[in-house]
Amino acid sequence: AQSVTQLGSHVSVSEGALVLLRCNYSSSVPPYLFWYVQYPNQGLQLLLKYTSAATLVKGINGFEAEFKKSETSFHLTKPSAHMSDAAEYFCAVSPSGSARQLTFGSGTQLTVLP
Amino acid sequence: DTGVSQNPRHKITKRGQNVTFRCDPISEHNRLYWYRQTLGQGPEFLTYFQNEAQLEKSRLLSDRFSAERPKGSFSTLEIQRTEQGDSAMYLCASSPGNAGNNEQFFGPGTRLTVL
Repeated sequence: AQSVTQLGSHVSVSEGALVLLRCNYSSSVPPYLFWYVQYPNQGLQLLLKYTSAATLVKGINGFEAEFKKSETSFHLTKPSAHMSDAAEYFCAVSPSGSARQLTFGSGTQLTVLP
Repeated sequence: DTGVSQNPRHKITKRGQNVTFRCDPISEHNRLYWYRQTLGQGPEFLTYFQNEAQLEKSRLLSDRFSAERPKGSFSTLEIQRTEQGDSAMYLCASSPGNAGNNEQFFGPGTRLTVL
């Protein structure tokens, strides 16, 4: 069984500030981990993924995430927020090496203040 | 555009009516997934196809829901006797068939409103 917990349903940062979105997972087998972004009335776009290679994963739009097995975490960061980063972000997990469905967290709405 | 497409984008129906949604995956992706997303929540898995075979169904998929992928290409999701609780965004995703790659590409979704 797998699950994902995203701490903080709403996060606000000032433009230019660090973005940190938290994700903790629970998995009985080695996981694959994903971060997706969703803009209003649109589908989900993949930001980055961890598939048991490098623990620090770089994605699109300047985002990165670090897989920490000891903390069962996969937090998403970006050094400097841009207004266009305002969106909802979802962390997801699936069993590694399989084509199984993704299990999503409940999402974090990121607001970027001018 | 070679992404995942879904039709219609919006559907408003009255309680008790049947509705059908269509998903066209990225060509040559042999895996296709359906998810449901309600307001303020992450997507929840409904069902999954490998080519034309439906391999897994969630407990969320009641007997009023049926999905098909007859030729291993596009898929349809039908909801019979709709209820107000069916109101949600229905998302389709596809992924390649190579082992170990579970990157899923999502369509824009179909928003269903049941009055």
